[in-house]
Amino acid sequence: QKEVEQDPGPLSVPEGAIVSLNCTYSNSAFQYFMWYRQYSRKGPELLMYTYSSGNKEDGRFTAQVDKSSKYISLFIRDSQPSDSATYLCAMRAYNTDKLIFGTGTRLQVFP
Amino acid sequence: NAGVMQNPRHLVRRRGQEARLRCSPMKGHSHVYWYRQLPEEGLKFMVYLQKENIIDESGMPKERFSAEFPKEGPSILRIQQVVRGDSAAYFCASSPTMTGGEATNEKLFFGSGTQLSVL
Repeated sequence: QKEVEQDPGPLSVPEGAIVSLNCTYSNSAFQYFMWYRQYSRKGPELLMYTYSSGNKEDGRFTAQVDKSSKYISLFIRDSQPSDSATYLCAMRAYNTDKLIFGTGTRLQVFP
Repeated sequence: NAGVMQNPRHLVRRRGQEARLRCSPMKGHSHVYWYRQLPEEGLKFMVYLQKENIIDESGMPKERFSAEFPKEGPSILRIQQVVRGDSAAYFCASSPTMTGGEATNEKLFFGSGTQLSVL
């Protein structure tokens, strides 16, 4: 079993839709959770960072962490075609520099 | 302020040759990470370096792979005697501070990667 599970998609939604992206994990030591966006042939770009459980909002993006269920989510409101990319969740335990990434979910937002 | 620069963008090697991948971190960053991305897989940690020091190489294959980050110049990921299974995208990331604990590991800036193809 992988430490981090993420549905690869692709997920195809119309412009303006609310998108929900999710990851589950098995290592209860993970405390830091991130979402990265990766456009084709580019490096990942950090979108959201959260520590432990709770919600964090930044513009159209909301990240949620539920440590009791080992489940994290990224919500994108009013999705735009420019949001079309692969979204990677990543996490790490305290006192380590190593990020563990999900496989990524491909999102396509059509006009 | 240029971002993380990786070169070459594409590298083609025949089996048995050596591959050298270069990474220049962002200005002011002294921490460099290498990750490998295989098709349909997430990024896998390989190594974390500071200037002239390897901090964590737990993700590096035991043979043929090595990394360095000299006092002057870019970080180098070196793969000797490449095999087809080494074909992947190799990403370098840099950060301004040390990582772990409550440090700003999340402020990783990635380069655009080097796509290595082994024929």
